[in-house]
Amino acid sequence: GGIITQTPKFLIGQEGQKLTLKCQQNFNHDTMYWYRQDSGKGLRLIYYSITENDLQKGDLSEGYDASREKKSSFSLTVTSAQKNEMAVFLCASSMRGAEQFFGPGTRLTVL
Amino acid sequence: GDSVTQTEGQVTVSESKSLIINCTYSTTSIAYPNLFWYVRYPGEGLQLLLKVITAGQKGSSRGFEATYNKETTSFHLQKASVQESDSAVYYCALGSTGGNNKLTFGQGTVLSVIP
Repeated sequence: GGIITQTPKFLIGQEGQKLTLKCQQNFNHDTMYWYRQDSGKGLRLIYYSITENDLQKGDLSEGYDASREKKSSFSLTVTSAQKNEMAVFLCASSMRGAEQFFGPGTRLTVL
Repeated sequence: GDSVTQTEGQVTVSESKSLIINCTYSTTSIAYPNLFWYVRYPGEGLQLLLKVITAGQKGSSRGFEATYNKETTSFHLQKASVQESDSAVYYCALGSTGGNNKLTFGQGTVLSVIP
């Protein structure tokens, strides 16, 4: 089996700040994903990457950057945090065409 | 684009009673999508409950079942007799067939099972 690790678990930032979330997987999966979940809503895809150094925009990419420098890691940057923003960011990975495995999430609060 | 609708945001059921959580989907793809149910138990991460990739087929896991109905574009989750341990948040999801396996999620249904 494998595991997906997300750091930090909780992230508190100030309005306008650039914030980075990190994700590591040891499944040796090709594809990695970043989702955002707002309270009471479903997950929405921000970015995904089908291989090292590849980046594909999801439905919610505006306001975010992503980086996939290694197969095992995928980071997400909030380019300018919005005041009162609160959400959980979930990282996932999968082999091509197979089920996605999810990490525990990073909870973001912007003051 | 793709969309998934779960009509119930919260469902409360007594233990040993039957359950149905509704899910309908919409897609602009020519190919039939893959359909999934994911679950988040209290204090745990999101995990796959069951999946069906062929229209007309039924998936099952942990006593739950869901049938892929392409005529009604539905994928309802059912269980004949729920247990308190089934209390969780359930998400219906549609997966693209283009190899990247992008998922579109419904908003989730919170299931509370009363002992």
